[in-house]
Amino acid sequence: SQTIHQWPATLVQPVGSPLSLECTVEGTSNPNLYWYRQAAGRGLQLLFYSVGIGQISSEVPQNLSASRPQDRQFILSSKKLLLSDSGFYLCAWSVGLADGGELFFGEGSRLTVL
Amino acid sequence: KNEVEQSPQNLTAQEGEFITINCSYSVGISALHWLQQHPGGGIVSLFMLSSGKKKHGRLIATINIQEKHSSLHITASHPRDSAVYICAPDSGGGADGLTFGKGTHLIIQP
Repeated sequence: SQTIHQWPATLVQPVGSPLSLECTVEGTSNPNLYWYRQAAGRGLQLLFYSVGIGQISSEVPQNLSASRPQDRQFILSSKKLLLSDSGFYLCAWSVGLADGGELFFGEGSRLTVL
Repeated sequence: KNEVEQSPQNLTAQEGEFITINCSYSVGISALHWLQQHPGGGIVSLFMLSSGKKKHGRLIATINIQEKHSSLHITASHPRDSAVYICAPDSGGGADGLTFGKGTHLIIQP
């Protein structure tokens, strides 16, 4: 069966520090991978998605970047965190969202920037 | 961009009550997802539907494509159903076709 792992679950970082959130998927090949952010009182916002190794699409201009070094690994990074980067980050995967594929989410990473 | 409205935003009910959560959207879609977000933050996909009705246990989801409206029903509600329920219509064309509602915060009291 397919599983998705995301870590760390909780992170408290000072402004200006770097960030690395990691997500891995097991039990499937060539998944579509997504990073979402959920700010307090707001809906999920798509940050990045990837349809293959090295292929990253960015949805919003921001302080963050994403990379997909391996087929089932998706990393969210920042060189210098801002206060506004605080939020709940979710990684997700699907086998074909364009065809109406189901989304599967990781457990999320709660980031607090102080 | 699809405008998604969920109602109610917050709902508190007693155990055993029949629950209805509504979702309206503005742009035609290929499918609609209903998600459940647990108090700890993890999200689980409940349904993905493009027409008619789907049932899973005590949960029922319906969609009317012409009216751009979907509902999620919970029969014989239980405190463990307490969660945030999120509707996400998919207007197709890839990942950026998915829009998420702000969610309905449901509390079921024993």
